Amino acid sequence: AQKITQTQPGMFVQEKEAVTLDCTYDTSDPSYGLFWYKQPSSGEMIFLIYQGSYDQQNATEGRYSLNFQKARKSANLVISASQLGDSAMYFCAMRRGAAAGNKLTFGGGTRVLVKP
Amino acid sequence: DAGVIQSPRHEVTEMGQEVTLRCKPISGHDYLFWYRQTMMRGLELLIYFNNNVPIDDSGMPEDRFSAKMPNASFSTLKIQPSEPRDSAVYFCASSLWLAGDTGELFFGEGSRLTVL
Repeated sequence: AQKITQTQPGMFVQEKEAVTLDCTYDTSDPSYGLFWYKQPSSGEMIFLIYQGSYDQQNATEGRYSLNFQKARKSANLVISASQLGDSAMYFCAMRRGAAAGNKLTFGGGTRVLVKP
Repeated sequence: DAGVIQSPRHEVTEMGQEVTLRCKPISGHDYLFWYRQTMMRGLELLIYFNNNVPIDDSGMPEDRFSAKMPNASFSTLKIQPSEPRDSAVYFCASSLWLAGDTGELFFGEGSRLTVL
């Protein structure tokens, strides 16, 4: 069975510093995609970044980067220069490939609180 | 373009009553997902559809839950009879899966259900 694990239930980070959120996954599929979503206190789910299993380079989107280590099955999110607005829940998710129905499941989330 | 539209945004009902949650996906998207979010269980995938056909309903808790997608622009999640443990935020999400594309999920704002 596919599994997404986020081992950090919560963490504090100082404003302007970088923070790394851990995510490990378990799958036997050769093709899959990894996502990070942000959920602020208002409740909406906001897509941040995507990494495909065959992508050679780590994905980056502005202040977000994904540290993809395929052999270790990890896909950690790095937020650089944290801002107060980054305080939120962050979810890692994995989407199985087309051959496996494109099912997308989420990890348990990490709550980030940015301190001024 | 309009995003994923869910209704109602909030529902308070009494145990034993039927609850129907509605979702209008983004036009042109071929996948539709229903998730349930609770503090205890996080984000759980209940069921998802591809081109209006249910692909995987293994996450549906029990027979009290049912979901339909009669056409590409509408889906319902029904709970009958409802129980207090069904209290949660129910998210609908849609995506368009194209080879080489991310296929990220676009979420609705969620329906917060409270069963008394």
